[in-house]
Amino acid sequence: GQQVQQSPASLVLQEGENAELQCNFSSTATQLQWFYQSPGGSLVSLLSNPSGTKHTGRLTSTTVTKERRSSLHISSSQTTDSGTYLCAISSNTNKVVFGTGTRLQVLP
Amino acid sequence: NAGVIQTPRHKVTGKGQEATLWCEPISGHSAVFWYRQTIVQGLEFLTYFRNQAPIDDSGMPKERFSAQMPNQSHSTLKIQSTQPQDSAVYLCASSLVGRGTGQLYFGEGSKLTVL
Repeated sequence: GQQVQQSPASLVLQEGENAELQCNFSSTATQLQWFYQSPGGSLVSLLSNPSGTKHTGRLTSTTVTKERRSSLHISSSQTTDSGTYLCAISSNTNKVVFGTGTRLQVLP
Repeated sequence: NAGVIQTPRHKVTGKGQEATLWCEPISGHSAVFWYRQTIVQGLEFLTYFRNQAPIDDSGMPKERFSAQMPNQSHSTLKIQSTQPQDSAVYLCASSLVGRGTGQLYFGEGSKLTVL
């Protein structure tokens, strides 16, 4: 079945620094979403990006479908960006598989 | 749009009791998903409905877990004879299109604690 690997597992930044999160997946994906989860919070969809590059605010996602990878770039990080970032992949079977996430901590 | 609504937000049960969790998907969404999240296992897929029909329940523990979607406005996840290892946050999500292309929207989850 579909495997989703995220790296790094954790990341600590100083406020203002940029973050680069990676997602690699094992099989063809028809949908790819990046989610944010605050500690003890629910999952919030950040970007839906099955291919190409998308921007929203300080977030940029680039997905290279044939290489089965996606990245999430967070520019000028803020302490409120701290939390877990999850990559989710779905294929034609519609089953959505999540990676184990990247835990980001932004220090003031 | 109220988003995906899950109730209860928190539930505490004794070992062996039954727990039922409810999910109201976003109006008009044709696909409903149930996930379970723990620190150890992360997010685990449980089951998925499309247009109220069960499509994939490969993640459901067979013996004590069951899920239904009696109408387009709600789905239930029932756990019989709850065990401490069932303790988790149970998340429901819906999407507009049930073809692997729809964007998922999650509820805030139901935290189940089995004593």
